[in-house]
This record gives sequence, C-alpha cells and structure tokens, in this order.
Amino acid sequence: AQSVTQPDIHITVSEGASLELRCNYSYGATPYLFWYVQSPGQGLQLLLKYFSGDTLVQGIKGFEAEFKRSQSSFNLRKPSVHWSDAAEYFCAVGVKWRNTGGFKTIFGAGTRLFVKA
Amino acid sequence: NAGVTQTPKFQVLKTGQSMTLQCAQDMNHEYMSWYRQDPGMGLRLIHYSVGAGITDQGEVPNGYNVSRSTTEDFPLRLLSAAPSQTSVYFCASSSLLRGTDTQYFGPGTRLTVL
Repeated sequence: AQSVTQPDIHITVSEGASLELRCNYSYGATPYLFWYVQSPGQGLQLLLKYFSGDTLVQGIKGFEAEFKRSQSSFNLRKPSVHWSDAAEYFCAVGVKWRNTGGFKTIFGAGTRLFVKA
Repeated sequence: NAGVTQTPKFQVLKTGQSMTLQCAQDMNHEYMSWYRQDPGMGLRLIHYSVGAGITDQGEVPNGYNVSRSTTEDFPLRLLSAAPSQTSVYFCASSSLLRGTDTQYFGPGTRLTVL
C-alpha cells in the first residue's frame, strides 16, 4: 500500500540555521513527489515537486529537496531558515487511483516547524 | 484568476443537520477533489472528479455526497452531519494533462458538528 511517513511531528530550529525535514514514501512505481507548506489558517501551497530527471529539485522560498530512490526518501532542505518559514510542511506522493483516470495525493501527517529567534 | 475558492470559511452544525460546502475554480481544471484534514493524519481524500458528470469515491467517502455539473464547481454535501465529521475541509483542483500534477488548494472550511 502507498504511504508517506514524516517521522518528525515537530522541529524547532534557530533563525539562520539550516533545516532538513525528513520524508519516506512507499510506492511500487516511479513516484510523483511533492512538498507543500501550510501556514496557520491557510490552505496548502506547493513548495516543489519531483516527477523525473535531476534528483535535486529547487523550489520556492529557497527550499530544495533531494529524491533518493535507494532510500525511498524525499527530504526537504533549506540552508538558512527565516522566521517566516514557521509553518506545517507536508510531504506527498501522487498515485494513480483506480482505472477511472483519477489520481490522488497521499499526504504524510505533517511536520510543524518552529523558528526561534 | 481567483484560483480555488471555498465557502463558507467556518460553519457550526448540530448533529443531523445537512449542509453543502461550496468549491469553485477558474483555471479550467478537469480534476477536482475534496480532502479532510484532521490533526496528526495529514489530508485524506473524500471524493474526486475527473470532469463534469464524473465523480468517484476516495479513501473516506462515507457520509458525503458530491456532484459535478460544471467544470468550475464541485460542491460537497453532508446529508446528516455527525460529530466525527468535525474537521477542516479542503478543495483542490489540477490539470490532468500530465497525469498527476500539482494540486491547487482552496483556503479551507472549518466545520464543527456539535
């Protein structure tokens, strides 16, 4: 069965420090991988996505993620965190859903990022 | 473009009441879906649609109905609300041209069932 695991429920980093959020997935085929960010009271916004090609993907707001097939991982990184990065981050995998042409995005449970001054 | 819009933003219902959550998108996306978000569980797919007149169930469809009469609109109906349906509901849309592409999310509807 397809699944996404984000092992850290919450992480606290100091402003200016580097960040890495972990994500592991389980999916039999080539995955479509996403990272979304959700600020309090807001909907989800796409940070970056991986479909194929270069395994290091650049996203918005200075984020990047690296796809490692051997580890079934898609970790999100940022070299220097800003206070405005405090939010909840969701890793997700896109999978085909039945034979009706539909697909679904399976989300991890999320990692809440706290940034301290 | 307004993107994906949802109404209402907040709603309180009593057990057994019915209501419809509205969702609209102006990006001409074929694919629309409804998710619910509960603490510690990420987002779970309720129903989805791949085009006008075509809908299908997701992971947690019980207690919810949908219809898709136009490309733009995808309402979610709760026929008889239950406290277990207290959640935040997100509508999303995307283009099917690439098979499984970026989803654009609405701002959400926070529903409380007493």
